[in-house]
Amino acid sequence: ELKVEQNPLFLSMQEGKNYTIYCNYSTTSDRLYWYRQDPGKSLESLFVLLSNGAVKQEGRLMASLDTKARLSTLHITAAVHDLSATYFCAVDSSGSARQLTFGSGTQLTVLP
Amino acid sequence: GAVVSQHPSWVICKSGTSVKIECRSLDFQATTMFWYRQFPKQSLMLMATSNEGSKATYEQGVEKDKFLINHASLTLSTLTVTSAHPEDSSFYICSALTGFVHNEQFFGPGTRLTVL
Repeated sequence: ELKVEQNPLFLSMQEGKNYTIYCNYSTTSDRLYWYRQDPGKSLESLFVLLSNGAVKQEGRLMASLDTKARLSTLHITAAVHDLSATYFCAVDSSGSARQLTFGSGTQLTVLP
Repeated sequence: GAVVSQHPSWVICKSGTSVKIECRSLDFQATTMFWYRQFPKQSLMLMATSNEGSKATYEQGVEKDKFLINHASLTLSTLTVTSAHPEDSSFYICSALTGFVHNEQFFGPGTRLTVL
């Protein structure tokens, strides 16, 4: 059974600071997704990582994938309040986006 | 592109009644859709995979007679919660597989179900 672990579960940080969220998974996969969820809302796709060594950046967020280490990171640079949300990683064990296993989520609060 | 809608956005019903939730792909055809359930402060749990024109595949522990799924067209899947009870109160999210270049699930806005 595929297990996906995110840490930390809760993160409170000051504006302007940097931090990294980690997503570890237990079986081989080379497809991983990062999503953002605002309270009461559904998931917004942030990044799709499709191969070992993939790195994608959008604004203050950068995601990377190391399939050998079974690890993905979501790095936050110079955090701003608007980034406050819950972030989920999801690992695709089917190779075709047909079976996603989600991490438990990281609730990020950026303080002014 | 790749817009998925759900209806209703929220519903409150009495215990014992049935509730139907619709999931539509608005600008693409989706042969496969997925239904997830999310309890407060928790992650998404896959309930079932809905395939157009065939029976849904349910995850272990999900009662197929309680959560009826119908995927009668390439743009519509429905989830009916039958004889709902308070413990069925949750946030239900559907997604649709796009079939685009690298295939990706796009998520609907979710339906908040409260059973009194």
